[in-house]
Amino acid sequence: DIQMTQSPSSLSASARDRVTITCRASQSIGSYLNWYQQKPGEAPNLLIFAASILQGGVPSRFSGSGSETDFTLTISSLQPEDVAIYYCQQSYSTPHTFGQGTQVEIK
Amino acid sequence: EVQLVQSGAEVKTPGESLKISCKGVGYTFSSYWIGWVRQMPGKGLEWMGIIYPGDSDTKYSPSFQGQVTMSVDKSISTAYLQWNSLKASDTAVYYCATCPEGAYQYLDVWGKGTTVTVSS
Repeated sequence: DIQMTQSPSSLSASARDRVTITCRASQSIGSYLNWYQQKPGEAPNLLIFAASILQGGVPSRFSGSGSETDFTLTISSLQPEDVAIYYCQQSYSTPHTFGQGTQVEIK
Repeated sequence: EVQLVQSGAEVKTPGESLKISCKGVGYTFSSYWIGWVRQMPGKGLEWMGIIYPGDSDTKYSPSFQGQVTMSVDKSISTAYLQWNSLKASDTAVYYCATCPEGAYQYLDVWGKGTTVTVSS
C-alpha cells in the first residue's frame, strides 16, 4: 500500500492567515492526489482532485499544488468556517489510502 | 440533485450479522462507482473499497478483504456493505460515496454515514 503522511497533525492560525498543509506519498503518484475537508459531525467533503483542480462550489481561497510525492493544500485567507480536519488521499493505486488528517483551528 | 441516502444507526452484539445500505438518488446509479469509507471513533478515514454497480466489479482494500462484502441491487439503486460476524472493532461510522462517471479516482458525493456500534 502507498503510505500518505500529512504535516502538521494540527495547527492553529488567526483568521485571514495563510495556511499550508503538506502531504507526502511513500512513492510517486503523479497527480493522483485529492483533498477532503471534514467538519465536526459531518461527512467529508471533496475540495480538490487531481492535485490542483477545485471541486465545484468550493471557495477559491482553497488551492492545491504538487506532483509525484509532495503536495500542498493552501487556504489563502483562513475563515472561521474552515475549522475542520483536512485529509489527503492518493488514487494512483488501490487501496486509495488517506493521510492521517490535519486539524485546523482558529486562534 | 445527486444524493446518497444511508440506512440508520445500528447497535449489534459481537457475532451478529449486519447489512447496511446506501441508496443512490437523482442519477444513473449503474454508471458511477460507489466507495465505502470507515471512520472509527475519534480516528481518520480508511478506504475500504469500491464497487461498480453496472457489473458489480469490486476492488477491496487488503485490510478489509474477507472481512466485509460489498454488493449492489441495481433494480433499487442501492449498494450494501455486509458483515457475517461482527466484532467490537467494527464499531465505526461507515460512509458511502460516489465517484465521477466512469472513473473512481475520487469520491465526490458522500452519504451522511451509518453509525455501527458493536457491544456486548
